[in-house]
Amino acid sequence: LAKTTQPISMDSYEGQEVNITCSHNNIATNDYITWYQQFPSQGPRFIIQGYKTKVTNEVASLFIPADRKSSTLSLPRVSLSDTAVYYCLVGDIRNGDYKLSFGAGTTVTVRA
Amino acid sequence: EPEVTQTPSHQVTQMGQEVILRCVPISNHLYFYWYRQILGQKVEFLVSFYNNEISEKSEIFDDQFSVERPDGSNFTLKIRSTKLEDSAMYFCASSVWEREQYFGPGTRLTVT
Repeated sequence: LAKTTQPISMDSYEGQEVNITCSHNNIATNDYITWYQQFPSQGPRFIIQGYKTKVTNEVASLFIPADRKSSTLSLPRVSLSDTAVYYCLVGDIRNGDYKLSFGAGTTVTVRA
Repeated sequence: EPEVTQTPSHQVTQMGQEVILRCVPISNHLYFYWYRQILGQKVEFLVSFYNNEISEKSEIFDDQFSVERPDGSNFTLKIRSTKLEDSAMYFCASSVWEREQYFGPGTRLTVT
């Protein structure tokens, strides 16, 4: 599994855009990049997944440069309820039996 | 929106006792997982289950652990003889082929 590196913590204010960059220098050709969010005492929740370029959904955008050695999760106009831990995971999802390997994640704290 | 459910939400047991944690995955999902998270630490993979058998397990998942899908809806994790270090949040997750995993709310296991 490709190793990922992301900042331990980030602070932001309500209404700002938050960008979390994840490094995955050893990403393999078949690997996808997936981001999960976890609130205290809850299970992780899928946010977004991508392979290359840009992916956008109603919650976030994911930017992946051509070399795929990093990716950036963008959370537009965050609110207090976006305070959570965000995990970047890399792996080959084509195998339906896909074990998730979580790192420490990035703790995002949104202040009023 | 369909969701994974887990019972109980909190289980307190004495060291050496057997516990069974229960999960009801999303009905059309084919892949089932158990993860655990010790307080303040990262989410750790325990086991994956597909087609009525274990497909992968981690080093944590030793002979004290077992999983079962006793009927068409439930997925259980049994810990035969609990130890203090088994105290953690246990998350069940399920998925379909090549898609994100949906996590349940977790069972907090406290071993005294």
